Amino acid sequence: KQEVTQIPAALSVPEGENLVLNCSFTDSAIYNLQWFRQDPGKGLTSLLLIQSSQREQTSGRLNASLDKSSGRSTLYIAASQPGDSATYLCAVRGGTSYGKLTFGQGTILTVHP
Amino acid sequence: GAGVSQSPRYKVAKRGQDVALRCDPISGHVSLFWYQQALGQGPEFLTYFQNEAQLDKSGLPSDRFFAERPEGSVSTLKIQRTQQEDSAVYLCASSAAGLIGVETQYFGPGTRLLVL
Repeated sequence: KQEVTQIPAALSVPEGENLVLNCSFTDSAIYNLQWFRQDPGKGLTSLLLIQSSQREQTSGRLNASLDKSSGRSTLYIAASQPGDSATYLCAVRGGTSYGKLTFGQGTILTVHP
Repeated sequence: GAGVSQSPRYKVAKRGQDVALRCDPISGHVSLFWYQQALGQGPEFLTYFQNEAQLDKSGLPSDRFFAERPEGSVSTLKIQRTQQEDSAVYLCASSAAGLIGVETQYFGPGTRLLVL
């Protein structure tokens, strides 16, 4: 059974810092990996999707890397802003499933001015 | 265009009551997923539909949970005889692809269910 772990569980940083969120998964037979953002009381917003054949994806100040063989992904946020405060979720899509996502428990990020 | 919508947004039920949660996916999306998110946890898969066919219901926690998508668009998740452990946010997601697509799943805002 696929298990996804995110470290740290919570992170508080001052505005402007660069930061890294970590995600690990136990079964490397994945189809893709996705990073989501969840704001309180709201649904999930997809940030980046990395196919299993890719090593990284970038969008603005966000960069996500994937090392499938070691079962790891990192989300790098450059020059953090208070508006980045949210819960960040990592999810993997298994190669033999119908596309269901297995999520980590999330990292709660607080960026203070 | 409109995103995924869910109703109601909040539901309070007494233990033992039946509830029905509705999901309106993005128009034309083939795939529809239901997830359950307990407080402080990541979402967990419940069930998957491709059009009207329920292809995977392995995540439904008990036979009190039932989902349908009769016309391949709107879906309803029904929980019978609710228990306190059913309290959670129920998220619906849709994607344009069919089997093992590469597209992103688009999530609705969720229904927050509280069972007293």
